[in-house]
Amino acid sequence: GAVVSQHPSRVICKSGTSVKIECRSLDFQATTMFWYRQFPKKSLMLMATSNEGSKATYEQGVEKDKFLINHASLTLSTLTVTSAHPEDSSFYICSAPPGPNQPQHFGDGTRLSIL
Amino acid sequence: AQTVTQSQPEMSVQEAETVTLSCTYDTSESNYYLFWYKQPPSRQMILVIRQEAYKQQNATENRFSVNFQKAAKSFSLKISDSQLGDTAMYFCAFMKDYGGATNKLIFGTGTLLAVQP
Repeated sequence: GAVVSQHPSRVICKSGTSVKIECRSLDFQATTMFWYRQFPKKSLMLMATSNEGSKATYEQGVEKDKFLINHASLTLSTLTVTSAHPEDSSFYICSAPPGPNQPQHFGDGTRLSIL
Repeated sequence: AQTVTQSQPEMSVQEAETVTLSCTYDTSESNYYLFWYKQPPSRQMILVIRQEAYKQQNATENRFSVNFQKAAKSFSLKISDSQLGDTAMYFCAFMKDYGGATNKLIFGTGTLLAVQP
């Protein structure tokens, strides 16, 4: 149980394109989801906390207008990288806890490459 | 603010041997959770083990066990009978206990473990 699905797994697109990444909780409801960015051989950097029915909470230094987060239902959060540029190329991964104080379960991640 | 420190960037162990990964953390909280996550080359994040701070007994999951020293703020992971499939990046993580509210994880920098045949 407690499966988190992330799509797509790999995206390659041209500079200036906007890219949407989906994160779904398949067998539980998630009022909160988390979005991370990870550089090669580095730790996960929390970008924002996605809250169902309200605005996301962004970490310091993360551009809200660049990384748009929408959490319209209890099972789906989306991250849109707007007007992506090569420096946005990275591995993005989402997570959600199945309940309060429960361990977070992670999606398989999205490798984003901007040419 | 809470911080998590993993002082071993890389480690190597022979197959079937035992290895211990170190983790220390800094917090003023008394109620919290600690986790070890594993990230193999596939980059999938896999929960290895969880420890509640209010429990004195160290958590164990098959070949994986922790040494939780609350006063010292230390949370090491011991892997016994290491297997080739244990090769991965291991992250220590901290989460405050808000008594029911969902809270974020704070990760350490990771330890890259290589199990040698």
